[in-house]
Amino acid sequence: GQSLEQPSEVTAVEGAIVQINCTYQTSGFYGLSWYQQHDGGAPTFLSYNALDGLEETGRFSSFLSRSDSYGYLLLQELQMKDSASYFCAVQGIKAAGNKLTFGGGTRVLVKP
Amino acid sequence: ETGVTQTPRHLVMGMTNKKSLKCEQHLGHNAMYWYKQSAKKPLELMFVYNFKEQTENNSVPSRFSPECPNSSHLFLHLHTLQPEDSALYLCASSLLEGDLSYEQYFGPGTRLTVT
Repeated sequence: GQSLEQPSEVTAVEGAIVQINCTYQTSGFYGLSWYQQHDGGAPTFLSYNALDGLEETGRFSSFLSRSDSYGYLLLQELQMKDSASYFCAVQGIKAAGNKLTFGGGTRVLVKP
Repeated sequence: ETGVTQTPRHLVMGMTNKKSLKCEQHLGHNAMYWYKQSAKKPLELMFVYNFKEQTENNSVPSRFSPECPNSSHLFLHLHTLQPEDSALYLCASSLLEGDLSYEQYFGPGTRLTVT
């Protein structure tokens, strides 16, 4: 099976940098995804790491280390609109159910 | 707008009622999903349809019954629900390439309250 752990909440000020860690246990996966969900909204896709290393998309970057069963999402130059919940998810291989399994989500609160 | 619509957005039903949730995707995707999102719990996958065939039933009680008449539409039929079924029900779709489909597009969800 698959399980993912991430912190429940992080608070930071505008302009700061926040790193959301995700540790996982999996019986086989293609890659690690990150989703953002604002209160009352739908989860939206942010990034995907199939290979180890850093993927950068504007102010957001995502990292994966398969050997450490660990990844993170880095939010830079925080803005008020970044206040949301962020979920990591593993895309399991066929033998592991071939589905996305989500972590519990990290609520990020950005303060002025 | 993600290209995935859900109706209704809010639903209140009694435990003896029968209702249906509807999802439609306009993205040309070939896989659709139902998720349940409860407070302080991870998103729980309920059902998966690949090419209109159900490929996953994640130990969901029979009071939830999915239907996928074509690759653009997905329904979740509800009957004799329990108060603990109150949650946000999210529909998603994706483009399945082989076994891989890592980017899912979610609808806005139906907020269900069972009284």
